[in-house]
Formats: sequence, C-alpha cells, structure tokens
Amino acid sequence: EIVLTQSPGTLSLSPGERATLSCKTSQSISSSYLAWYQQKPGQAPRLLIYGASSRATGIPDRFSGSGSGTDFTLTINRLEPEDFAVYYCQQYAGSPRTFGQGTKVEIK
Amino acid sequence: EVQLVESGGGLEQPGRSLRLSCAASGFSFDDYGMHWVRQTPGKGLEWVSGISSDGRFTDYADSLKDRFTISRDNSKNSLFLQMSGLRADDTALYYCAKLGVNGVYDFWGQGALVTVSS
Repeated sequence: EIVLTQSPGTLSLSPGERATLSCKTSQSISSSYLAWYQQKPGQAPRLLIYGASSRATGIPDRFSGSGSGTDFTLTINRLEPEDFAVYYCQQYAGSPRTFGQGTKVEIK
Repeated sequence: EVQLVESGGGLEQPGRSLRLSCAASGFSFDDYGMHWVRQTPGKGLEWVSGISSDGRFTDYADSLKDRFTISRDNSKNSLFLQMSGLRADDTALYYCAKLGVNGVYDFWGQGALVTVSS
C-alpha cells in the first residue's frame, strides 16, 4: 500500500497570501497519478487537480499542482476567503487507492 | 447536473448488516466506474470498494473484502454496498463517488452516515 504523508498539518495564512502544501508518497507514482481534493465542513470532497498538475473543470487558475515521483505540491496563489478548507492528496496509481491525512488551511 | 444521493445509513448493532444505496442522475451511469469511500475523524478518507461500469470487475480494501460487497444496477442507475458483520470501526460517513475519464473522483455524493454501536 502506498502511504501518502501531507505537510504541514495546519497552515495559518491570511487572505491574499500563497499556500504551499506538500504530499510525499512512500513509493514513486508512475504517470503522476496524483490528485488533490478540497473539503469544506459539512461537504463532500471536491476534485481540484488530477495527473499531478491538471486542473479539474471549473477550478480557478490560482490553484496549481506540481511534482513527480514521490514529491508533489499544491499551490494556492492569492488565497480567497472560500479557499480556507482541508486539502487531501490521493494516489490512484494502484490499488488500494490511498489518501493523505489532509492539510487544513485556516485563516490567520 | 450530476447528482449522487446516498441512502440506507443509520444506527446498527455490531454483527448486523446494512445496505447502502447511491442513486445517480445527470450522466450516463453505465459508462462509468463507481466507488465507495468512507471518512472518519480518526482515519480520514479511506477507499472502500470500486466497481467497473458493467459491473463485471470489483475491487475491495483488503480489510473489508470478506464483509463488504459492491454491486450496481445499471437499469436503475444505482450503486450498492452490502455491509455485513458490522464492527464499531465501520462507523463512518460513506460516500459514493463517480470515477471520471481521468481515473479520479470527479463527483461525490453527500454521504450516508453509518453508526455501529450496541
């Protein structure tokens, strides 16, 4: 099973700042089968990024993903009030699909 | 508009069974694989099971394959999860999720809460 470790656990930032979230995998992921989801309280996760760097439909361009192998990053430029949420990475390179434990982006 | 609506959750005693349903609409259901993912405060998001678009192929988390069964009825645009031998650690919010063409979950339901307790 591929283990995903996200850091930091919590990121305290102000609106307008940049958020940089890390996701490290225990094994190299081929073809960048890495996704990022956003989850707000009381809501289901929402797909942001797939293939490590491709934005899902309707996702603003302030969200960007990068990385390969075992190290991946989600960057949120110019945080908007609606961006404060929990973010999860997920690998879908193999079974079982696994998720990171999440990074909470909170208002400073 | 894609909609996934789970039902069938509730309070059940340890050792009993429960069947979750997911009603899908807004897309061609029989063209897409479907999965179940559960979430708990302690363990976060955990993949449970997946099924191919035609129902021929299924996959399960190793720890659940002996107790959970995924199925679908394409004539009724419905996905199911039969859970047996329920345990306290099965307590979770269970989401059904649509598998997109890129292999990721592009739509999720709002979840069905399952509580296992005596």
